[in-house]
Amino acid sequence: DIQLTQSPSTLSASVGDTVTITCRASQSISIRASESTITWLAWYQRKPGKAPKLLIYRASTLDGGVPSRFSGSGSGTEFTLTISSLQPDDFATYYCQQYNSVLGVTFGPGTKVDI
Amino acid sequence: EVQLMESGGGLVKPGGSLRLSCSASGFIFAKAWMSWVRQAPGKGPEWVGRVKGNLDGGATDYAPPVKGRFIISREDSESKLFLHLNSLKTDDTAIYYCATALDWREDFVTHWGHGTLVTVSS
Repeated sequence: DIQLTQSPSTLSASVGDTVTITCRASQSISIRASESTITWLAWYQRKPGKAPKLLIYRASTLDGGVPSRFSGSGSGTEFTLTISSLQPDDFATYYCQQYNSVLGVTFGPGTKVDI
Repeated sequence: EVQLMESGGGLVKPGGSLRLSCSASGFIFAKAWMSWVRQAPGKGPEWVGRVKGNLDGGATDYAPPVKGRFIISREDSESKLFLHLNSLKTDDTAIYYCATALDWREDFVTHWGHGTLVTVSS
């Protein structure tokens, strides 16, 4: 199974900051298909007592309704989630997930963003 | 509105069995890939397994820690998903969530249930 690591595990930030969270996979989770590359990586936001909320899928595609201050990038084994101009509602824990089911679906350990 | 509602959790002894159910509504259940994800106390989410929809033959995949012990099944006529938990271990203690990405036919999750707690303890 593919293992995911996230860094940092905790991140202290202030409203208005730009923060970046990194997710690394133990092997490549990108697949070459025709003339494009598909990467089976998602990012979620989780707040206490609530189910995770999907932010990004396929490494860089924003889910509907997610503010544009969230962005994802990367391919292969290294990925980033960037939150520009952090808002009070963004203080939460963020998880990456690789979902190439041939290689086994796994979640990262999480990054807590707090004040 | 998409709704997923789990039931069937409880306290069970190590080695015991349990069946969880998930009632779904608000989307075309038969086409949807349906997953179970669990979260143990103080830990992050852990994918348990998934059953594909009718367009993909209903194939199942499982995470290594549960493979051979847990079985996912579905009853499309009732829009229900099941998780049969066998040979339970204390490490299986977690909140179990029913989850789906609706029409996406991929293994990320757009909708989650509220979860049902499974406690494995003697």
